[in-house]
Amino acid sequence: KAGVTQTPRYLIKTRGQQVTLSCSPISGHRSVSWYQQTPGQGLQFLFEYFSETQRNKGNFPGRFSGRQFSNSRSEMNVSTLELGDSALYLCASSHDRVNYGYTFGSGTRLTVV
Amino acid sequence: GESVGLHLPTLSVQEGDNSIINCAYSNSASDYFIWYKQESGKGPQFIIDIRSNMDKRQGQRVTVLLNKTVKHLSLQIAATQPGDSAVYFCAENSPNDYKLSFGAGTTVTVRA
Repeated sequence: KAGVTQTPRYLIKTRGQQVTLSCSPISGHRSVSWYQQTPGQGLQFLFEYFSETQRNKGNFPGRFSGRQFSNSRSEMNVSTLELGDSALYLCASSHDRVNYGYTFGSGTRLTVV
Repeated sequence: GESVGLHLPTLSVQEGDNSIINCAYSNSASDYFIWYKQESGKGPQFIIDIRSNMDKRQGQRVTVLLNKTVKHLSLQIAATQPGDSAVYFCAENSPNDYKLSFGAGTTVTVRA
């Protein structure tokens, strides 16, 4: 059974640009969540989607957005990139709630220069 | 074995000894807790979970203890091996909250 797949694995962008990251959940999982991981702030929740609806959102500026498609795949977008957006972006999927098969992908390492 | 009473960011343990990693959680409404292991370049990997109606749960070489009175969680690793070297995170979830809240993480280094 394939795990959570995140693409790309690595990305280098310039300040002011925008970026789109992709996450394909485990087959059958309908919930997809996104987290940002930095050395200073640790793992911080960005947002969660279930059946194309955002059910929860973390405390991040509006430059961070996401969406989920009918096949449960999800994308997140960061516009007007700042140096501080450099981080490992992790996606997790589950059947529905956190306590039901919550599994992380390997992440996308974003570097903003 | 090596143990820490309070959360410390790093833990060095001799191979073969037992390790204890501690975590304090903040939300008294949390009813589900997970321990994750994260190796360099990888995403967090599930180790063991526990629900609030339990105070102890055992897996293969790992045991999680939950003390709801003081909002404290611990992970015990028996006979620590070099492959256990990683960063360990505790995480909590509360009902109808579709996210995990993570602790700061403890870096475990196993000495040969």
